[in-house]
Amino acid sequence: EIVLTQSPGTLSLSPGERATLSCRASQSVSSSYLAWYQQKPGQAPRLLIYGASSRATGIPDRFSGSGSGTDFTLTISRLEPEDFAVYYCQQYGSSPITFGGGTKVEIK
Amino acid sequence: QVQLVQSGAEVKKPGASVKVSCKASGYTFTSYDINWVRQATGQGLEWMGWMNPNSGNTGYAQKFQGRVTMTRNTSISTAYMELSSLRSEDTAVYYCARGSYGDDYWGQGTLVTVSS
Repeated sequence: EIVLTQSPGTLSLSPGERATLSCRASQSVSSSYLAWYQQKPGQAPRLLIYGASSRATGIPDRFSGSGSGTDFTLTISRLEPEDFAVYYCQQYGSSPITFGGGTKVEIK
Repeated sequence: QVQLVQSGAEVKKPGASVKVSCKASGYTFTSYDINWVRQATGQGLEWMGWMNPNSGNTGYAQKFQGRVTMTRNTSISTAYMELSSLRSEDTAVYYCARGSYGDDYWGQGTLVTVSS
């Protein structure tokens, strides 16, 4: 099983600032089958990024993903008020599918 | 538009079973896998397993092997997840999601509460 470790656990930032979230895998993620999700309280997760760096439909270009192998990054270039949420990475290249523990992006 | 609509909240006693439905619309149901994911209150996301609606093939996380069954009814574009031998630790919101490159559409979630 591939274990995903996200850091930091909480990120305290102000609107307009840049957010950098990390996701490290215990072994190489097959074919960069790495996704990022945003989740707000009381809502289902929302797909942001798939294939490590491709934005899902309708996702603003301030969200970008990068990385390969075992190290992946989600960057939010300038935080908007609606971006404060919890973010999860997921690998779907090998079974079992696994999620990271999440990073909470909170308003400073 | 693509939608996954899940059944309503359930309250079950320990040892009972629960069956959650997930009705798909806006796309060809048999063309995409369905994943099931759960989330306990205040906790992270936990993948339970997948089903191919075309073939009926399934794959379950080892943690749930023997307790979970995923099925479908293609005539009504609906997937089902049944979890048996419920215990208090199974109290969570259960989600279905369309498996594509990542899970691109999610149901609204079904709260299952296990309590005596």
